[in-house]
Amino acid sequence: GAVVSQHPSRVICKSGTSVKIECRSLDFQATTMFWYRQFPKQSLMLMATSNEGSKATYEQGVEKDKFLINHASLTLSTLTVTSAHPEDSSFYICSAWDRDYNEQFFGPGTRLTVL
Amino acid sequence: AQSVTQPDIHITVSEGASLELRCNYSYGATPYLFWYVQSPGQGLQLLLKYFSGDTLVQGIKGFEAEFKRSQSSFNLRKPSVHWSDAAEYFCAVGVNNNNDMRFGAGTRLTVKP
Repeated sequence: GAVVSQHPSRVICKSGTSVKIECRSLDFQATTMFWYRQFPKQSLMLMATSNEGSKATYEQGVEKDKFLINHASLTLSTLTVTSAHPEDSSFYICSAWDRDYNEQFFGPGTRLTVL
Repeated sequence: AQSVTQPDIHITVSEGASLELRCNYSYGATPYLFWYVQSPGQGLQLLLKYFSGDTLVQGIKGFEAEFKRSQSSFNLRKPSVHWSDAAEYFCAVGVNNNNDMRFGAGTRLTVKP
């Protein structure tokens, strides 16, 4: 199957700072990538759909100005958590849609801790 | 909108016993169906998936799942559980060629020695 990477795997930041998380499709081109959020002991919740070369589509309740998504190339999408607060601490997982398989492939996740 | 229900939040089984994790979905057509496993602090690992064809699907680590259209179910089974199977299991539904995926709440599996 296709491989998706995320960087960093863990990040700790101070409240009020911004953090960028990268999601890369390593061996395929992904016109569409997705960002999910997972709180402890909970399921994955879709935050936004990222389309290459266009604006992301955010799920209801997700602040687009706080969670900035950029999908500048067919292999890279970034999620920037702006002015992070402790309540933004979570596990963020990205996925990339591979049209050859009609399937999303998931990255290993990024653990964000905001102090 | 499609939804996924995993009725069991937590299941405990003895090592060597059989396992069945339940998953029901709600969608007008047959969706794509997935089971993922997640160990603490880790990402998702795909166990198996159903797109079409044979309704009994074999996956990795000795898992299998059966799609039952009449029951809108896609239950995961394993004949003999190993201690290393202790983890969180997520059922997921994909529609629109899997451009839209929704996850169940998850079932936490504990394995007793």
